[in-house]
Amino acid sequence: DQQVKQNSPSLSVQEGRISILNCDYTNSMFDYFLWYKKYPAEGPTFLISISSIKDKNEDGRFTVFLNKSAKHLSLHIVPSQPGDSAVYFCAAIEVSRAVQFYFGTGTSLTVIP
Amino acid sequence: TAGITQAPTSQILAAGRSMTLRCTQDMRHNAMYWYRQDLGLGLRLIHYSNTAGTTGKGEVPDGYSVSRANTDDFPLTLASAVPSQTSVYFCASSRDRGHRGTEAFFGQGTRLTVV
Repeated sequence: DQQVKQNSPSLSVQEGRISILNCDYTNSMFDYFLWYKKYPAEGPTFLISISSIKDKNEDGRFTVFLNKSAKHLSLHIVPSQPGDSAVYFCAAIEVSRAVQFYFGTGTSLTVIP
Repeated sequence: TAGITQAPTSQILAAGRSMTLRCTQDMRHNAMYWYRQDLGLGLRLIHYSNTAGTTGKGEVPDGYSVSRANTDDFPLTLASAVPSQTSVYFCASSRDRGHRGTEAFFGQGTRLTVV
């Protein structure tokens, strides 16, 4: 059973606008969440993370929001740039029992110039 | 800076043959992982190792084996390949098990086609 879900397989956004990528999880024990970006023929690269003790973390154009009660997190990219076009994976981990990072199925973002 | 190196980058393998996918990291990370990426299924954990000398099974371990003889290397072996093992395989490492603030670093992937 998928513990981390990304229900939108793809998203298209105009350059300069905001991109919002969503992720839901089912395991309430997850306490650390990450976003990865993946270009074709490359491995995923870490983008931004958030601890469950926070509800927002910002790094430049990227902001991750966490709503624990809804078991939902989102990644906001503003302004979106064509170079942001990639597949984005969210991931979650229960730090104290960390065996693995649980990944969502990914959302393919296309930023249209 | 090498980080994590996987070899080969791609391979076509006949069904029934065996193959070892190699993974080496130079970051002295304790934990290492093998994931496979399939369309619509995301990244699924095959096997993991929390430290040299120990390994464990992930979500989809059947048909795969791993070893962790030292900190740097974490090879993945397919003993008798089947077409359903056609996938892109990613090796990853992270600093320590259970360490808050850590993230996993990934290799560039091995694209395996079993025919």
